[in-house]
Amino acid sequence: GDSVTQMEGPVTLSEEAFLTINCTYTATGYPSLFWYVQYPGEGLQLLLKATKADDKGSNKGFEATYRKETTSFHLEKGSVQVSDSAVYFCALGPLDNFNKFYFGSGTKLNVKP
Amino acid sequence: DVKVTQSSRYLVKRTGEKVFLECVQDMDHENMFWYRQDPGLGLRLIYFSYDVKMKEKGDIPEGYSVSREKKERFSLILESASTNQTSMYLCASSKPGTGFYGYTFGSGTRLTVV
Repeated sequence: GDSVTQMEGPVTLSEEAFLTINCTYTATGYPSLFWYVQYPGEGLQLLLKATKADDKGSNKGFEATYRKETTSFHLEKGSVQVSDSAVYFCALGPLDNFNKFYFGSGTKLNVKP
Repeated sequence: DVKVTQSSRYLVKRTGEKVFLECVQDMDHENMFWYRQDPGLGLRLIYFSYDVKMKEKGDIPEGYSVSREKKERFSLILESASTNQTSMYLCASSKPGTGFYGYTFGSGTRLTVV
């Protein structure tokens, strides 16, 4: 079935370090792929998306490329800031006419000054 | 600014109580969803609705029910709250045919059952 697997956290980095959060997926169709971010005490916000293979989504210095050959959508940022500390969720969808999505388990990022 | 609004940020309820979690969206979306979020388990779909009075079970519907009497409002009901329902509950909405835009989420309700 369809699923998303994320690297386990927490990930702890120093400010200005390079970030990679791994995400791999299995899907029977051709879903879009998403990264959501959840800041402490809040709901999820869409960070970036890619709708087809080889698309690159980007926002706020983050980027991820939809790689069909490796079934991956890894999140990267060249230089993280303390304000990037949050939980990051990889997701795929829509899986049906009801717009159902599957979410990964989330990866907590802690950025230290 | 378009919104999904969950009525409570924090709730504390007693075991056995009937609990209502409310979600309202102002985007005229047909599809609405309830997820619960637990550490290490990510988001798990409880119920969703694709139209007024229509509902479908998600992956973990046991112990929950839902109500959608108006398009903008989707309520999650815990018939008899138990401690294992202590969690963060997230409501989301989307419009059919626009799944590539993802969901719009509410801010979440953190429910503690004591």
